[in-house]
Amino acid sequence: GESVGLHLPTLSVQEGDNSIINCAYSNSASDYFIWYKQESGKGPQFIIDIRSNMDKRQGQRVTVLLNKTVKHLSLQIAATQPGDSAVYFCAENEGGGTSYGKLTFGQGTILTVHP
Amino acid sequence: NAGVTQTPKFRVLKTGQSMTLLCAQDMNHEYMYWYRQDPGMGLRLIHYSVGEGTTAKGEVPDGYNVSRLKKQNFLLGLESAAPSQTSVYFCASSWARGTNTGELFFGEGSRLTVL
Repeated sequence: GESVGLHLPTLSVQEGDNSIINCAYSNSASDYFIWYKQESGKGPQFIIDIRSNMDKRQGQRVTVLLNKTVKHLSLQIAATQPGDSAVYFCAENEGGGTSYGKLTFGQGTILTVHP
Repeated sequence: NAGVTQTPKFRVLKTGQSMTLLCAQDMNHEYMYWYRQDPGMGLRLIHYSVGEGTTAKGEVPDGYNVSRLKKQNFLLGLESAAPSQTSVYFCASSWARGTNTGELFFGEGSRLTVL
């Protein structure tokens, strides 16, 4: 099956900088996208989601952008903090987010924030 | 409110042995899932359940069985463990269809090593 992938496996930033994590997807039928954060030794934690009828959605210090034309998804983290250091996964779902959470995950990007 | 709890957290098996991973959630969620996570890869769905007494296959179901006898519990069984099943296993739960099914609540993982 088609899968979701990431351009950058690692990203290092300085505290206070903005971070951008990218994700490419290949399944043109995907219509719901999610970002998860996974800290070392823990399970993934939901950050933000976006449906295909939107191109931008904002949360607290995070923004997700969706470009359906080029099948690209990005997560922007404003004023990155050391506590943001983690692995970030994008995931996609076909079926408007109603496919019982049958998510297809990307490989993940390691974000390291230096004080 | 403990969320999603997995037991055991660590286990070492010999090839051919059997074992069961237990997942319990106290959020009254309808849906529950078992994922596996391998190095350098995203999570892959093994089996899932949309309600008590029902289960279904995910992306990588071979070698695993599941049961959902009670709404709050979802068991993952390995009848005859193989080295290829060495992985970190994550249980997750979510609300029912029609809501934000991308927001899965994950446990902290069970690390299984098969020798």
